[in-house]
Amino acid sequence: GGIITQTPKFLIGQEGQKLTLKCQQNFNHDTMYWYRQDSGKGLRLIYYSITENDLQKGDLSEGYDASREKKSSFSLTVTSAQKNEMAVFLCASRDRSSAETLYFGSGTRLTVL
Amino acid sequence: GDSVTQTEGLVTLTKGLPVMLNCTYQTTYSPFLFWYVQHLNEAPKLLLKSSTDNKRTEHQGFYATLHKSSSSFHLQKSSVQLSDSALYFCALSAASSGSWQLIFGSGTQLTVMP
Repeated sequence: GGIITQTPKFLIGQEGQKLTLKCQQNFNHDTMYWYRQDSGKGLRLIYYSITENDLQKGDLSEGYDASREKKSSFSLTVTSAQKNEMAVFLCASRDRSSAETLYFGSGTRLTVL
Repeated sequence: GDSVTQTEGLVTLTKGLPVMLNCTYQTTYSPFLFWYVQHLNEAPKLLLKSSTDNKRTEHQGFYATLHKSSSSFHLQKSSVQLSDSALYFCALSAASSGSWQLIFGSGTQLTVMP
């Protein structure tokens, strides 16, 4: 079986800081996703990528950039962290051979002071 | 547009009782519904999925039936255990705008008490 690894697990930043979250998968899946998880709001899509060097914006892309330089990795950058922001960012990849199941990493928890 | 509604944000039950977590959806496409479960500090994992109308699907004691007539995919279990305490997400596969996306509901936190 495969795994999705997100680093770091915890990220503390300052207001206005640029912060990068990383995600690696060894499933060899083509499509990868970044979701933001806020309490009581479910998972909201920030960016996704259907192949290496492809980037597609989700509903929540403002304030974020993404990068997919290799098939196995997908990075997310918070371009200017907002004070008192607190959320969990989840990376996922999609298995098209298994009825479109998503596999998730365990998340990066962001706190902005 | 496509959407998923989970009406209960928080459900608290005593061990051994039955549970039903509600999920309704809206889409103009043929629906494919999923339930994901997320235990504390862990990754969300697939629990159930279905695209077949009126057919019950089961896994790990949980079950759900997709009812296209009522646009529902409620999650049920006949006897909850302490280990079932987790956050449960209903999700809809949507192929709108030519790209595949999974649209999530807001989640239901299930807490099982001894």
